[in-house]
Amino acid sequence: NAGVTQTPKFRVLKTGQSMTLLCAQDMNHEYMYWYRQDPGMGLRLIHYSVGEGTTAKGEVPDGYNVSRLKKQNFLLGLESAAPSQTSVYFCASSYLYRLIRAQHFGDGTRLSIL
Amino acid sequence: QQQVKQSPQSLIVQKGGISIINCAYENTAFDYFPWYQQFPGKGPALLIAIRPDVSEKKEGRFTISFNKSAKQFSLHIMDSQPGDSATYFCAASGEGANAGGTSYGKLTFGQGTILTVHP
Repeated sequence: NAGVTQTPKFRVLKTGQSMTLLCAQDMNHEYMYWYRQDPGMGLRLIHYSVGEGTTAKGEVPDGYNVSRLKKQNFLLGLESAAPSQTSVYFCASSYLYRLIRAQHFGDGTRLSIL
Repeated sequence: QQQVKQSPQSLIVQKGGISIINCAYENTAFDYFPWYQQFPGKGPALLIAIRPDVSEKKEGRFTISFNKSAKQFSLHIMDSQPGDSATYFCAASGEGANAGGTSYGKLTFGQGTILTVHP
């Protein structure tokens, strides 16, 4: 009963480096989302996916790319990390709850860009 | 542009008191309003949610009040306990749907409220 698992939990990068954040869910959910959380800003949607092989932009997509090659996995990539991307990143997957799509979140990846 | 505005930023309540957090939204396309609770080091977890066709929803000590005409909704925590100390986020959903009309479920969050309940 892992739910939504995010890897890694912590990471420090230097400006210009690249990395990929992995999100895996074992609940067979169709929809998956990537958010970033910054102090005083709440959570903001970066990208989302409504099914295997499909992705779409959210509110703050610049500087990020995503892929959903398998239904259970949703990857978030930073091609050239910038200090402004220092944040806590949350992945979520969506299930149907009384006709509403409720989101189930992982515990986050804390990313620092120096 | 912040589509969902939340207040206050922080709230301190005594044990047994009532905690009230308010949110206002702008987009009339929103049709689902959840509240999430987040403990330090954890992801947000769904607490309670409401649709705009009802004015109030209660689950245990937690109540959502919804005012569609004012485009406002609030969370009331009755008999607040130290274990309720957490960050609370309001959110709204309803933008975008598939061809069958099923929402994509994208959430727009408020800024968050840090609730501290003193024993």
